[in-house]
Amino acid sequence: DAKTTQPPSMDCAEGRAANLPCNHSTISGNEYVYWYRQIHSQGPQYIIHGLKNNETNEMASLIITEDRKSSTLILPHATLRDTAVYYCIVRVARGSTLGRLYFGRGTQLTVWP
Amino acid sequence: EAGVAQSPRYKIIEKRQSVAFWCNPISGHATLYWYQQILGQGPKLLIQFQNNGVVDDSQLPKDRFSAERLKGVDSTLKIQPAKLEDSAVYLCASSSLRDRGNYGYTFGSGTRLTVV
Repeated sequence: DAKTTQPPSMDCAEGRAANLPCNHSTISGNEYVYWYRQIHSQGPQYIIHGLKNNETNEMASLIITEDRKSSTLILPHATLRDTAVYYCIVRVARGSTLGRLYFGRGTQLTVWP
Repeated sequence: EAGVAQSPRYKIIEKRQSVAFWCNPISGHATLYWYQQILGQGPKLLIQFQNNGVVDDSQLPKDRFSAERLKGVDSTLKIQPAKLEDSAVYLCASSSLRDRGNYGYTFGSGTRLTVV
């Protein structure tokens, strides 16, 4: 049921920017793009989300293309602690409740010293 | 703010035995979810509660899995009888529409179940 496509793995040198791509070509107009990450033996952790505009917070930046069919999560200065599986998720919302999150297999990001 | 609490952290049982997991969501979060994460895969939703009512249980194997959320706060997920393929991490998450800072979910650390 996952509505996103991500590369299975990527690596990045410590201190460099990590750019994680995601394709969501069937996204609907009212669906948000969410990014979560999961460090080994922990639950998924929220990173950032957006609808159509680019977003930035203390953890990352989210760049969404104008047609909204793809997005890129940017970790500006990756550290070893950023090694994790990163999930790009399209949120389905129904009525007044938040709908389920469809997780794919995500991207395993490995940050090396 | 306290996070989503889950217990136990680990559980090992034999097949055909029963097991129960407990979740205490973030205070005030009306929506609670149980996800199953098999090794190497992303989490899959089993059931979603809104307060103490079930919103979505379409992916819950109802012949062996059951869940309840009495009083709209804590929740328990039960498996009876367990099968080998139930070995997974069971994640609980909660969310609130009033959480403007994060229109998303907060997950617990999960319970790792091994069925032998």
